[in-house]
Amino acid sequence: DAGVIQSPRHEVTEMGQEVTLRCKPISGHNSLFWYRQTMMRGLELLIYFNNNVPIDDSGMPEDRFSAKMPNASFSTLKIQPSEPRDSAVYFCASSSLAVLGAGEQYFGPGTRLTVT
Amino acid sequence: DAKTTQPTSMDCAEGRAANLPCNHSTISGNEYVYWYRQIHSQGPQYIIHGLKNNETNEMASLIITEDRKSSTLILPHATLRDTAVYYCIVALSSGYALNFGKGTSLLVTP
Repeated sequence: DAGVIQSPRHEVTEMGQEVTLRCKPISGHNSLFWYRQTMMRGLELLIYFNNNVPIDDSGMPEDRFSAKMPNASFSTLKIQPSEPRDSAVYFCASSSLAVLGAGEQYFGPGTRLTVT
Repeated sequence: DAKTTQPTSMDCAEGRAANLPCNHSTISGNEYVYWYRQIHSQGPQYIIHGLKNNETNEMASLIITEDRKSSTLILPHATLRDTAVYYCIVALSSGYALNFGKGTSLLVTP
């Protein structure tokens, strides 16, 4: 298995631009998570999907952030418009609730976002 | 979820066992102990988890005290590639939110 795939690995953009991060979860996993990691705040859960449905988006910072999961093999996290304080590493993780329990999550390599 | 306390940093000589402690005195009966690690510039990696009994897999062993108020992750023969931040997390298996906290930065030295 290729594991969780994220793209792009690095993104540099200017303030005000739209940014779209992409994630392909592990095949067969029905839970998907988006996290953000910064030095100041550590690793934070942004949103959690189960069976393609958003269950908890309370960690999404503000309306500039949106996430979708149109099917079981693809999810996006969009920031529009982007701001310098959005600079962070964004991780996608997946899990299989029925088999593993949600606590055993598998993370992608992350997307390092820099907003100038 | 119960809060965990870990040392900020630890050192270990290559080839020796690394024993990483974690306190979770407020853990409830149905909460599991999960361990993850994050090697520099990589995503967190699941290591092991347990409820009451000690657990072992190809990566590590997890020792949970009888009162479940603390646990120890053991890397039996640490290598340089084990240098990472190790996170001890207490969570419900049926839940989904993992509070990673600050973890323990383990440095394995030659």
